[in-house]
Amino acid sequence: DTEVTQTPKHLVMGMTNKKSLKCEQHMGHRAMYWYKQKAKKPPELMFVYSYEKLSINESVPSRFSPECPNSSLLNLHLHALQPEDSALYLCASSQRQGRTEAFFGQGTRLTVV
Amino acid sequence: AQSVSQHNHHVILSEAASLELGCNYSYGGTVNLFWYVQYPGQHLQLLLKYFSGDPLVKGIKGFEAEFIKSKFSFNLRKPSVQWSDTAEYFCAVNNPNTDKLIFGTGTRLQVFP
Repeated sequence: DTEVTQTPKHLVMGMTNKKSLKCEQHMGHRAMYWYKQKAKKPPELMFVYSYEKLSINESVPSRFSPECPNSSLLNLHLHALQPEDSALYLCASSQRQGRTEAFFGQGTRLTVV
Repeated sequence: AQSVSQHNHHVILSEAASLELGCNYSYGGTVNLFWYVQYPGQHLQLLLKYFSGDPLVKGIKGFEAEFIKSKFSFNLRKPSVQWSDTAEYFCAVNNPNTDKLIFGTGTRLQVFP
């Protein structure tokens, strides 16, 4: 099983809403990632969790709040987003360190209205 | 800090033409190198990877890439493209000590029958 599962696939939220994105993997990977991808642009790294601890935060605004409840789950909590935050949010996982590649989920298409 | 650049932003080819996409990275230490592909409406998939050893690596669907350390390059090649290769191609670099996986700006490949 080399799947990274993201839910929901699509999400529309208002600027005052609170919502969460969910990511799950059962490959025993110890590093998990959140990326943001705007149309026709590369994925931009947001957060990295290693062994369930936040190891990298790429200066992401606090309206995005990541959480790693256990080694298989990764959440991204959203609050008071702006329309420019509309994008495809990608989750990925990899074995931590060394010779390892990242596996990506299908993403959540987020629209902020 | 690590960075990745892809010089070809949009490439248009006819079927059976040969393909070479450029990728250069900037980082002084040991790196892992990847090429990912994103077909329209699909998730990022790994084409090939380089960790160490033979600098010529072969991936899926007939793709190969050559790591030239002196040029900090990892160019992607395919001798004969097919219409089904139409997609966005991303070069990526990972620092194996930090889990930080960074993507290049991407190359949009269009193959016409």
